[in-house]
Amino acid sequence: DGGITQSPKYLFRKEGQNVTLSCEQNLNHDAMYWYRQDPGQGLRLIYYSQIVNDFQKGDIAEGYSVSREKKESFPLTVTSAQKNPTAFYLCASTREVSNQPQHFGDGTRLSIL
Amino acid sequence: AQTVTQSQPEMSVQEAETVTLSCTYDTSENNYYLFWYKQPPSRQMILVIRQEAYKQQNATENRFSVNFQKAAKSFSLKISDSQLGDTAMYFCAFMKHVYLGYSTLTFGKGTMLLVSP
Repeated sequence: DGGITQSPKYLFRKEGQNVTLSCEQNLNHDAMYWYRQDPGQGLRLIYYSQIVNDFQKGDIAEGYSVSREKKESFPLTVTSAQKNPTAFYLCASTREVSNQPQHFGDGTRLSIL
Repeated sequence: AQTVTQSQPEMSVQEAETVTLSCTYDTSENNYYLFWYKQPPSRQMILVIRQEAYKQQNATENRFSVNFQKAAKSFSLKISDSQLGDTAMYFCAFMKHVYLGYSTLTFGKGTMLLVSP
């Protein structure tokens, strides 16, 4: 079955450490997105990518970095510059043009040790 | 920039009853799309329904329907015959239309719906 796989499901980070969240899709979708979800805040866009080797900052990109070396993969690195990384992270993808809804992965919960 | 407002942080309804979740948005765009997503306790985001702004007819999907009022910038979700499995956080989302490339979603803060027996 086609879908979006996020791993790991739970992740713990020590202070000053960078961690990378994985997002892989086999839907042949062109665009991929990363969102952060905090209680009472809804989903906020971190980064998105429309094609391989290209990506754009979202509303809360500070302290995060991404890469898009393959169409199927869009990993998110939470750097030590992100002072409040504890949150639920969701990856999404969409095909073709803008009128298509986004499909979401199951998320990764990141916590600080 | 677009904003989406969900004014009801929590709502509760009894099984088999009908409930309406509110959503308002602010935009200067004329061509856009609106969505309702559901996030159950499993935290998976599930698309419930979508509405194209250029369509006057309200979208329906089985027990789910919307009341889209473009002039008032209102997009409410009605759930009929509520079921226990409808218990979830519901997010309203806005996406403007672009002719080339991809657009992004702007989400509201969500409404937690609890369906009780």
